[in-house]
Amino acid sequence: DIQMTQSPSSLSVSVGDRVTITCRASQSISTSLNWYQQKPGKAPNLLIYAASSLQSAVPSRFSGSGSGTDFTLTINSLQPEDFATYYCQQSYSSPVTFGQGTKVDIK
Amino acid sequence: QVQLQQSGPGLVKPSQTLSLTCAISGDSVSSNSVTWNWIRQSPSRGLEWLGRTYYRSKWDSDYAVSVKSRIVINPETSKNQFSLQLNSVTPEDTAVYYCARLRRGGFDFWGQGTLVTVSS
Repeated sequence: DIQMTQSPSSLSVSVGDRVTITCRASQSISTSLNWYQQKPGKAPNLLIYAASSLQSAVPSRFSGSGSGTDFTLTINSLQPEDFATYYCQQSYSSPVTFGQGTKVDIK
Repeated sequence: QVQLQQSGPGLVKPSQTLSLTCAISGDSVSSNSVTWNWIRQSPSRGLEWLGRTYYRSKWDSDYAVSVKSRIVINPETSKNQFSLQLNSVTPEDTAVYYCARLRRGGFDFWGQGTLVTVSS
């Protein structure tokens, strides 16, 4: 199975900050990488697919980049509703696998 | 708009069978461009994909190695839904279970989640 490793595990930020979360795959996955946001008690919500494509209805302050083994999720000007846990997920090979999550909370 | 509605018990006794159903609206379980999946989430295991069913001129399913000997995922075309059965459960199977649609590699629609506790 392909292992997905996110960093950091958590970070404390302020509204308006720029946030960067990284995800590393244990082998090359081309651009088969997706990002999700999850709030407590809710299902994950797809933000970015294919490494850099913005899912419908997702605000443009979210962006993704990367290919191969290293990927980045960037949130520009963090809003109060963005405090949540973020996960990466590879769809390059079965089984799909997820990162362990990055919790973004209020400084 | 696609919606997935989960149903099933939240408490299962050890060694018994966990059974959940995911009713689909706004899409078809027989669509040949998506797959229908079960995923669970627990503090110890994180997000864990369990398996999927899909139609590509015929029905097929495949499962995570960790549960392959205990799991069945079936489509129910007459009701436009799919189901999960996980046999011989133990307390380690306690988790929130989600159904989800996978399209273009991403899970774009999810059920509301069902907390299943395995306890006597």
